[in-house]
Parts: sequence; structure tokens; C-alpha cells
Amino acid sequence: DARVTQTPRHKVTEMGQEVTMRCQPILGHNTVFWYRQTMMQGLELLAYFRNRAPLDDSGMPKDRFSAEMPDATLATLKIQPSEPRDSAVYFCASGHREIAEAFFGQGTRLTVV
Amino acid sequence: GENVEQHPSTLSVQEGDSAVIKCTYSDSASNYFPWYKQELGKGPQLIIDIRSNVGEKKDQRIAVTLNKTAKHFSLHITETQPEDSAVYFCAAYTGGFKTIFGAGTRLFVKA
Repeated sequence: DARVTQTPRHKVTEMGQEVTMRCQPILGHNTVFWYRQTMMQGLELLAYFRNRAPLDDSGMPKDRFSAEMPDATLATLKIQPSEPRDSAVYFCASGHREIAEAFFGQGTRLTVV
Repeated sequence: GENVEQHPSTLSVQEGDSAVIKCTYSDSASNYFPWYKQELGKGPQLIIDIRSNVGEKKDQRIAVTLNKTAKHFSLHITETQPEDSAVYFCAAYTGGFKTIFGAGTRLFVKA
């Protein structure tokens, strides 16, 4: 049963700390997305990669957020330093260009206090 | 850039009734329109999609319609059941693999 795996599922951290969220895309998918979900903003696209190369990260606050794909089985989203306004659910999704459908992980619920 | 508007934000129906959620998009180049269902504590899951060369698609109790001229697309759920209660998102794919989501509709199905 192929699925996108995200870790951790929940994270509580203090303001100013570094947060790293990880995602294992579905094997064979060549596109990875990071979304942020809040009640106020809905689903916002933060960044996406194709074949591990960043294609668009215009939705991401550049001063504190960074996204990478060290290899085809791992995508990371880092926040440094974290702020209370970063509290949200962060979703990773993967897909294949030819079919356009995105498969979402379970999300990481981040709380910054 | 693409903008997707979704209505209503909340919808409450009686079990067995139909539910309709409507979306509009702005970019005429958009060619793929998926619908996602998100249950509590889970990520969105694709439930049905439609491409721009098709006007209607049906899968059991759910159907989608697309009006390219008016840039409207809709989700129809018939014979609703309590397990249909969730948040539903429409989306438009603008090419370059960028999918823009609507704000979501919270559907309540009352038993």
C-alpha cells in the first residue's frame, strides 16, 4: 500500500527553536509538494520539487523556511527560528507529472509556543 | 496567477439528500480539476477529478461537472451518508504542476 509518510505527526516547540519536518514520497513519484494548512489561509503551497530540483518556493517565507530533497526518498522542510505564527498543519504530497494527481501524507501538526 | 473560489464554506444536509459544492477559477489555461476529501486528522484524498476535455464525470454517488466557458465546476454528492461528512476542496491545475486549492467546504450530513 503505497503512501506518503511524514514525521513527526505532532511537534510542540518553543519560539526560536529549529523545527525539521520530514517526508518520504511514494516510490517512483518525481514531484514533491509542501503545503501549509491553517483555518485562516486554507491550503497554501509553500514549495515544490520535480526530480529533486526546487521548481517554485515562492510561497515560503525565505528568511526562516527552507526546503530540500537530499535524495529521492526524503524531503525536508525546516523552520529556523520558529515563531508562534508558524503553528499549522504541514502536509507533504507527491505525484507524477504525467498524471497530475497529488497524494498527501497525514501531515505534521506544529505548535510553536 | 490562478485563483479558485469555492462555495459554500459550510453545508449541512439531511442524510439521503444531495449536496452540491461549486467552484470558479480564473485561469482559462487550467486543464485539470481534482476534488479532495479531508477527514479529521488526515490529509486530503483525491475522490474524483475531471479534465478540461470532458464536461461531466460520475463515480457511484459522486459526480463532477465542468463548464469551461463560464469557468465553473461543481461536485455533486447524491444519497448522502454520515460518512460523507468531511471538508471538501476543489482545485485547479494550471500547468507546471502547480495546483491551486479552493478554501474548502465543511459538509455535515445529519443522520
